Amino acid sequence: EAQVTQNPRYLITVTGKKLTVTCSQNMNHEYMSWYRQDPGLGLRQIYYSMNVEVTDKGDVPEGYKVSRKEKRNFPLILESPSPNQTSLYFCASSLTRERQPQHFGDGTRLSIL
Amino acid sequence: AQSVTQLGSHVSVSEGALVLLRCNYSSSVPPYLFWYVQYPNQGLQLLLKYTTGATLVKGINGFEAEFKKSETSFHLTKPSAHMSDAAEYFCAVSDRGGGFKTIFGAGTRLFVKA
Repeated sequence: EAQVTQNPRYLITVTGKKLTVTCSQNMNHEYMSWYRQDPGLGLRQIYYSMNVEVTDKGDVPEGYKVSRKEKRNFPLILESPSPNQTSLYFCASSLTRERQPQHFGDGTRLSIL
Repeated sequence: AQSVTQLGSHVSVSEGALVLLRCNYSSSVPPYLFWYVQYPNQGLQLLLKYTTGATLVKGINGFEAEFKKSETSFHLTKPSAHMSDAAEYFCAVSDRGGGFKTIFGAGTRLFVKA
């Protein structure tokens, strides 16, 4: 079954404690993205990757890092989380940019205290 | 810079009535256009997309949207609402140039009354 898997689904942590949200897809997709969803703001793109070792900033990259060492994995790293990063995060992938659909994971709800 | 505006954060219709969710975009060149649906506690699912060709696009679950370049609009419609259509809907644009930036609207929550 084609899927995008995010872990963890829920996390409560404290300010400054480094965390990683993993994302893995089993469709051999080139393109992967991270988004955060906040009420009234829709989804905002954090980072995207067009292939292994190729990443670029989206609209809200501050405070986040990503890496793409393998095609299937695209982890999101918060080196020093702050409360304003409390949000619902989605990972998505697609075969090529033109050929949407993007397949979305089920989301990770992060609470930074 | 690209932007997406969804008119109305909440829309309420009766079951069987027409659904119309509005989306306007701002872009120097016509972008790729998408509608997604999000059910509670789930990720987004693509409803339909416009990339090129026919401007009236049909999607899943009976939804369709029409790209109108002169109006910079991509409104989503469904002739007859069903209770299962209650969800949040997002319009999104992606530029045709390099990169993979996608801009989402703020979303419209659709309520369907029995």
